[in-house]
Amino acid sequence: KAGVTQTPRYLIKTRGQQVTLSCSPISGHRSVSWYQQTPGQGLQFLFEYFSETQRNKGNFPGRFSGRQFSNSRSEMNVSTLELGDSALYLCASSLEGARGYTFGSGTRLTVV
Amino acid sequence: LAKTTQPISMDSYEGQEVNITCSHNNIATNDYITWYQQFPSQGPRFIIQGYKTKVTNEVASLFIPADRKSSTLSLPRVSLSDTAVYYCLVGGSNFGNEKLTFGTGTRLTIIP
Repeated sequence: KAGVTQTPRYLIKTRGQQVTLSCSPISGHRSVSWYQQTPGQGLQFLFEYFSETQRNKGNFPGRFSGRQFSNSRSEMNVSTLELGDSALYLCASSLEGARGYTFGSGTRLTVV
Repeated sequence: LAKTTQPISMDSYEGQEVNITCSHNNIATNDYITWYQQFPSQGPRFIIQGYKTKVTNEVASLFIPADRKSSTLSLPRVSLSDTAVYYCLVGGSNFGNEKLTFGTGTRLTIIP
């Protein structure tokens, strides 16, 4: 079966712009989580959605937001981009009731 | 979520068995222990998961002592392609409704 699909794979944006990243979970998975990975901070949890509702949120500023659609696809948005937002953004999906997560390959965002 | 402690890095020669230990002193009763593998610019990949004693699959074994305050991932006969970062996570008792907390991981380097 198809894995977790993240688009785009690479993205270059300018400071102050906004960006939207997309994640399509594995079919049947209704939980979608987002993570930011940087060399300095490692993997950090952004937020988790289930059935279009945000259930958990990490310690990121309000510039980071997300949403989930009825088909479980999810998007995350970062407004007013800063240089420090340059990172690999990872999406993971899970079956409710499961204890394992499947990650996508990520979107590499570079802010210049 | 229980905090985990792993060695920052390890080196091993091809063909040897590698054991990576993770400490999780505050593991909760319902928590599971999960290991992920990550290659550069890719998302973490599920390796193995267990609750107690020993679990084995086609790629690794997981040893968990009776007190569950630590666990050891064992990779038999490693090859160069096993060079990656390995993360130990504790949680999963809330069946997808939680924020995964990744530690620093262990950077494993396989030497030819």
